[in-house]
Amino acid sequence: DVKVTQSSRYLVKRTGEKVFLECVQDMDHENMFWYRQDPGLGLRLIYFSYDVKMKEKGDIPEGYSVSREKKERFSLILESASTNQTSMYLCASTLGVGIVEQYFGPGTRLTVT
Amino acid sequence: AQRVTQPEKLLSVFKGAPVELKCNYSYSGSPELFWYVQYSRQRLQLLLRHISRESIKGFTADLNKGETSFHLKKPFAQEEDSAMYYCALRRGGGYNKLIFGAGTRLAVHP
Repeated sequence: DVKVTQSSRYLVKRTGEKVFLECVQDMDHENMFWYRQDPGLGLRLIYFSYDVKMKEKGDIPEGYSVSREKKERFSLILESASTNQTSMYLCASTLGVGIVEQYFGPGTRLTVT
Repeated sequence: AQRVTQPEKLLSVFKGAPVELKCNYSYSGSPELFWYVQYSRQRLQLLLRHISRESIKGFTADLNKGETSFHLKKPFAQEEDSAMYYCALRRGGGYNKLIFGAGTRLAVHP
């Protein structure tokens, strides 16, 4: 059974702080994704990674960066948090070529005050 | 442009009534479409994919290329079907990226 875990369920940060969201998967998946989930907007792709140290921007990368130093771990970094980054952040992973099903983590609800 | 549209934010039905959650897509190639579901306090999970042509928890979805639709249907709704439903389209360009619709909340009342 695939397990995708996220470091925090709830997080409250102040404007301007640097924020790290961590995601770990235990099934040797190649591809990992970060989304933000907002009511009325669905899931929007922030960044994804198709291999260790490889990353590509998604649809809304501004204000975010990512790091993937190990295959199982994909970190999302908010360089300087702003109130408009208050959201639910979802991490997902998928095995690789030909296997499309994405497995999601439980989400991190980030509030920036 | 690649796009997924779910026109209804909320669909409210009574138990036993038929359900149809609408999904329309825009894609120039051969589409791969999915339905994901998120029950209260649970993580998002795959419900079904059009390639499989399967029925999961009584739900089915048929790809209609002429109408560019992939509506999710169930003949008799149950209270446990109450959840957030997202339609998703596999993007071109590889790496298993998906485009999600805005989601429809299904509320099934007793």
